[in-house]
Amino acid sequence: AQSVTQLGSHVSVSEGALVLLRCNYSSSVPPYLFWYVQYPNQGLQLLLKYTSAATLVKGINGFEAEFKKSETSFHLTKPSAHMSDAAEYFCAVSDRGRDDKIIFGKGTRLHILP
Amino acid sequence: DAGVIQSPRHEVTEMGQEVTLRCKPISGHDYLFWYRQTMMRGLELLIYFNNNVPIDDSGMPEDRFSAKMPNASFSTLKIQPSEPRDSAVYFCASSFSKTSGIGTDTQYFGPGTRLTVL
Repeated sequence: AQSVTQLGSHVSVSEGALVLLRCNYSSSVPPYLFWYVQYPNQGLQLLLKYTSAATLVKGINGFEAEFKKSETSFHLTKPSAHMSDAAEYFCAVSDRGRDDKIIFGKGTRLHILP
Repeated sequence: DAGVIQSPRHEVTEMGQEVTLRCKPISGHDYLFWYRQTMMRGLELLIYFNNNVPIDDSGMPEDRFSAKMPNASFSTLKIQPSEPRDSAVYFCASSFSKTSGIGTDTQYFGPGTRLTVL
């Protein structure tokens, strides 16, 4: 069975500082991995996804994530946080087409300090 | 494209009443997913459809919940009778099949319906 674990339900960073949101996955087959963002009172929006091409994936709003098979990780980073990045971020995994479902993590709420 | 459309955006009802949530997927998408989001349990997949046919309803919490997709552009999630523990935000999402024909690609979410059962 697939699963994702997001380390830290809340993360606070200062404006301009590095953002690092951690995600570890478990999958018996090579996975597809996703990061979604949810702004207040909105639905989830895709930030980026890994589908077995480049291991470093660039997404919208300056975010990127690196797939590390040896560490079973897919951490999300952004070099410089902006106030508008305050939101909840979800890591998700699917089993590369053998199943139609995406399994979501519990989410990490990112707070940006002025 | 208008994106996934959900209605109503907010619903307040009393325990025991029937609640119907509605979803219009993105035109051309052949997968539709219903999720529930709560603080305690996070984001849970309730049921999903492919080409209007329910594929997996194992996430539906109990018989009080039912979902239909009468055509490619409309789906409903019904709770009858509703209970306070059903209070949550309910999301609908849609997606295309992968070009390989196996599985689904990126899911696009609607804005959600915030349900409060008193």
